[in-house]
Amino acid sequence: TQLLEQSPQFLSIQEGENLTVYCNSSSVFSSLQWYRQEPGEGPVLLVTVVTGGEVKKLKRLTFQFGDARKDSSLHITAAQPGDTGLYLCAGGGFGNEKLTFGTGTRLTIIP
Amino acid sequence: DVKVTQSSRYLVKRTGEKVFLECVQDMDHENMFWYRQDPGLGLRLIYFSYDVKMKEKGDIPEGYSVSREKKERFSLILESASTNQTSMYLCASSLQGESGYTFGSGTRLTVV
Repeated sequence: TQLLEQSPQFLSIQEGENLTVYCNSSSVFSSLQWYRQEPGEGPVLLVTVVTGGEVKKLKRLTFQFGDARKDSSLHITAAQPGDTGLYLCAGGGFGNEKLTFGTGTRLTIIP
Repeated sequence: DVKVTQSSRYLVKRTGEKVFLECVQDMDHENMFWYRQDPGLGLRLIYFSYDVKMKEKGDIPEGYSVSREKKERFSLILESASTNQTSMYLCASSLQGESGYTFGSGTRLTVV
């Protein structure tokens, strides 16, 4: 069974600060996705990275896929209260379309 | 606006009841999935389907079954509900060949 571990599990920081969330595995994935989930809602896809070493930017969010395609990071610059939520990484398998989800990072941005 | 709709946001059922959770998507997606989400355990795959009348077991299928009679609808069935099935249930769909999932808003099921 493929496992994805996220760190930290919980993070609470002041508005305006920068932060990085990590997603690590011993398995290789065909792709890596990041989702954000708000209370009482389902996860919403933020980004998909498919190439080892790939970096994608979405406004203040920067996503990186590790060279070996086993890990990923999400960096948020100048965090805002609207960034508050549960961040989930998810790895795609080879030859199938199932995703393996990480354990999640619960982020709270304090105004 | 494309969406995945789950029939109930909250459900309370008694132990031993047969429970149906319905999920409908309007995006003509081939793939549909049922997950449960529990604190500290993340999202765990129960069942999935790549086509009508097709189903495959996920990581935790015990105590559950599914039905996919039409492309847009994927139902999760708890044959005899138990308290350890109290959880948030999430349905998702995706297009064949693409990895991004669209999730429903979830059904929070409590079994008493």
